[in-house]
Amino acid sequence: EDKVVQSPLSLVVHEGDTVTLNCSYEVTNFRSLLWYKQEKKAPTFLFMLTSSGIEKKSGRLSSILDKKELFSILNITATQTGDSAVYLCAVAFRETSGSRLTFGEGTQLTVNP
Amino acid sequence: DGGITQSPKYLFRKEGQNVTLSCEQNLNHDAMYWYRQDPGQGLRLIYYSQIVNDFQKGDIAEGYSVSREKKESFPLTVTSAQKNPTAFYLCASSINSLNNEQFFGPGTRLTVL
Repeated sequence: EDKVVQSPLSLVVHEGDTVTLNCSYEVTNFRSLLWYKQEKKAPTFLFMLTSSGIEKKSGRLSSILDKKELFSILNITATQTGDSAVYLCAVAFRETSGSRLTFGEGTQLTVNP
Repeated sequence: DGGITQSPKYLFRKEGQNVTLSCEQNLNHDAMYWYRQDPGQGLRLIYYSQIVNDFQKGDIAEGYSVSREKKESFPLTVTSAQKNPTAFYLCASSINSLNNEQFFGPGTRLTVL
């Protein structure tokens, strides 16, 4: 059964801290891994990773994929209260009827001032 | 503006009634998806469509039905057969089923009384 597991499920930090969110997966026909940020409504796209060892970076956020060990991490440096959200990891895989995503449960990040 | 719209934002229905959730996109995307999100959980795939007049079941299709008569529209009907329909419903689209980056609508929160 295809599976995506995120950890921790919940995290509370202070502004300025650095956080690392984890995502491990077991899927057949892997195509890519995606990170989304969800603030009480529609998830917004952060990164898509397809190759191992290549870091993707956007401001204070960065992410990397390890296809051998089947996991990805999302790093947020110098956290701000606006980073408070649920961070979702999703894995894209191909099945006979098409390509689709399977999501993890998400990590609820709370950044306190 | 290009994007995905869902209506209504909030929906209340009595138990035993069928209800249809609207999803429209003007991004000229071929693929569209319906997800369900329960409190503290990730997204679970209900149905997806790669092209007009074609759709496939996702992981939790029982009690739901869809149609894809137009490229822009992918309505979801929650039938009385769905045992626990109260949830947050998200619609998404992607350029095609080979492109894994999905864009999400604002969601519909359905409450069945």
